[in-house]
Amino acid sequence: GAGVSQSPSNKVTEKGKDVELRCDPISGHTALYWYRQSLGQGLEFLIYFQGNSAPDKSGLPSDRFSAERTGGSVSTLTIQRTQQEDSAVYLCASSLRRAGDSYEQYFGPGTRLTVT
Amino acid sequence: EDKVVQSPLSLVVHEGDTVTLNCSYEVTNFRSLLWYKQEKKAPTFLFMLTSSGIEKKSGRLSSILDKKELFSILNITATQTGDSAIYLCTGAGSYQLTFGKGTKLSVIP
Repeated sequence: GAGVSQSPSNKVTEKGKDVELRCDPISGHTALYWYRQSLGQGLEFLIYFQGNSAPDKSGLPSDRFSAERTGGSVSTLTIQRTQQEDSAVYLCASSLRRAGDSYEQYFGPGTRLTVT
Repeated sequence: EDKVVQSPLSLVVHEGDTVTLNCSYEVTNFRSLLWYKQEKKAPTFLFMLTSSGIEKKSGRLSSILDKKELFSILNITATQTGDSAIYLCTGAGSYQLTFGKGTKLSVIP
């Protein structure tokens, strides 16, 4: 079946503009994660959705970042008033609801965001 | 705060060499340790380790976990140029993954 998809694959925006990044998880996966990878850094957790529960937003770096997940499927990460330090690859991953010790996450191809 | 530290940060080897990548972790409510290979943007899954001392193998790759020392290694034997990538070590807590910064492996012909 289809894997995790993300759009756009690349986005160049001017400082101060808002951007929306989209993630389509694997069908049937109830858990969805957003990560960010800046140049030379490891993956940084941003936000986690599990089913209909309130999301864990503890990794969002500022209140300019928000995310929503509609109908338990597609998710949108929104960055308002973008700054140059927001430039990074934004990765989305999904996994089946946790069962035992299974934590395998399936990653999308990512969106490369460049803020000029 | 959860932490995963990988070493070395980068490594250059010749084809045919054997390499060992290291990962130490401090993860609250530790459940498992995962290794990913990242070549372009999205990481691809390699191994998930939950028990100490049990080696997992996949072809030329193998990995083992030491839950007492909070440590894992990833071995690659007979390296090939296609092994060139960033290898990410990840600690899984209650539901969140903490990633290390990765080891960049370059295999030269």
